[in-house]
Formats: sequence, structure tokens, C-alpha cells
Amino acid sequence: DGGITQSPKYLFRKEGQNVTLSCEQNLNHDAMYWYRQDPGQGLRLIYYSQIVNDFQKGDIAEGYSVSREKKESFPLTVTSAQKNPTAFYLCASRVWGGGETQYFGPGTRLLVL
Amino acid sequence: GENVEQHPSTLSVQEGDSAVIKCTYSDSASNYFPWYKQELGKGPQLIIDIRSNVGEKKDQRIAVTLNKTAKHFSLHITETQPEDSAVYFCAASNPDRGSTLGRLYFGRGTQLTVWP
Repeated sequence: DGGITQSPKYLFRKEGQNVTLSCEQNLNHDAMYWYRQDPGQGLRLIYYSQIVNDFQKGDIAEGYSVSREKKESFPLTVTSAQKNPTAFYLCASRVWGGGETQYFGPGTRLLVL
Repeated sequence: GENVEQHPSTLSVQEGDSAVIKCTYSDSASNYFPWYKQELGKGPQLIIDIRSNVGEKKDQRIAVTLNKTAKHFSLHITETQPEDSAVYFCAASNPDRGSTLGRLYFGRGTQLTVWP
């Protein structure tokens, strides 16, 4: 999985609860991305970030928040405003400038109790 | 924004046969086209990619072709094996476009099953 770790592997959320998914990379990559995967829908972009303390919304950012306090870390919070959070969440990263390949982590499966 | 269409959504082949998956894209500025393989419960792994200044690229049993004029690209797997069974995703991007940080636009995926 190319030096990207995601935790936990499985996460359960109760109604009205915020939960945070961890993504860490030791590849010294600049850009990091969060995707949501639902069956038959491919990967949809939630948020992305190029540098510390800067990030942009993707196509489905509503109900999610992120932070980028360190270059190697890009945690995703699924808030209670996200009404349908059950999905497989994938974090990715790439070098900025001269590198094209995005490397993915192993994913976190979020389930609602 | 970019729109990537991928077909077929499912593909079953006999071991040893070839498999072809096709994708089209809409943004003529896209110039990088990776293919990912995803096994059940795991993150996608890059298997091959191509830049728009190249028409074809091969890596052992895997090849990708690109028709920039028609805006379509295809993945070809020859001599398929049961371990090739997985979901395959195509994607398109412009890694040099600073405003989008080279984000990938994905197709919806193809479930490939190779029967022994």
C-alpha cells in the first residue's frame, strides 16, 4: 500500500456522532486526497490538500471536514450532518511537481449502528 | 469538469482468454490516464498508466492504448489468470493543472472474473 496507513480498518458510528478516520503517509508526498467508494459508483472525491493548512472541497464535501496540520497526516471527520456515511473510505497521496501517480491506502470501512 | 465513462461494468472470461475494458473521457486537457486494480476489501493499486503523448504502453500481459482524438483509452489483459479477478478502474487527470492539484476522475469500475 505504498507507505500510506489508514486506521481503523472498520469503524462503527452511532447516530448523531462524529467520527474521525486517520490517514498517515511516510512517502514525503505533498498532495493528499480523500475518496468515498460506494458499490457501483467508483471513487468520488471528498477533499484534497496540497500543503499544510490548506485544503479544497471535492465533489461530495458536505457532511465531512478535514485538517492538514502536518505534511504526513490528513484526517477526515465524518460529521453527524452526513446522513448516509456507510461506505469504504480511501486516502491517497502523490508527489507534487514531477510525479503523477496517486498511491492509495488500504481503506477504512465505516458502518452505521 | 471531467467525465469518465467505463464499460463494461462486469466481464467474465475463461482463463487464458483476453479481456478488454474501455473508457472515454470528456476533457481534452486531460493528459494522464492510469488504471487501477482493486481486490476485495483493499485499496486500489496502480497497474499501468499512460501519458497523452504516447499511443500505447505495454507491461508483460497488460497494455493500454490511447486515442486522443476520439478521447478514449482501453486496458488489454492477455492470457488471463484467476488472480486477475478484481475490480479495475480507469481514471483521467491533468497533473499539471494547479487549480485541481491533479485530481483523478474515475470511471465506475469493471468487475473482471476469470474462470479456471
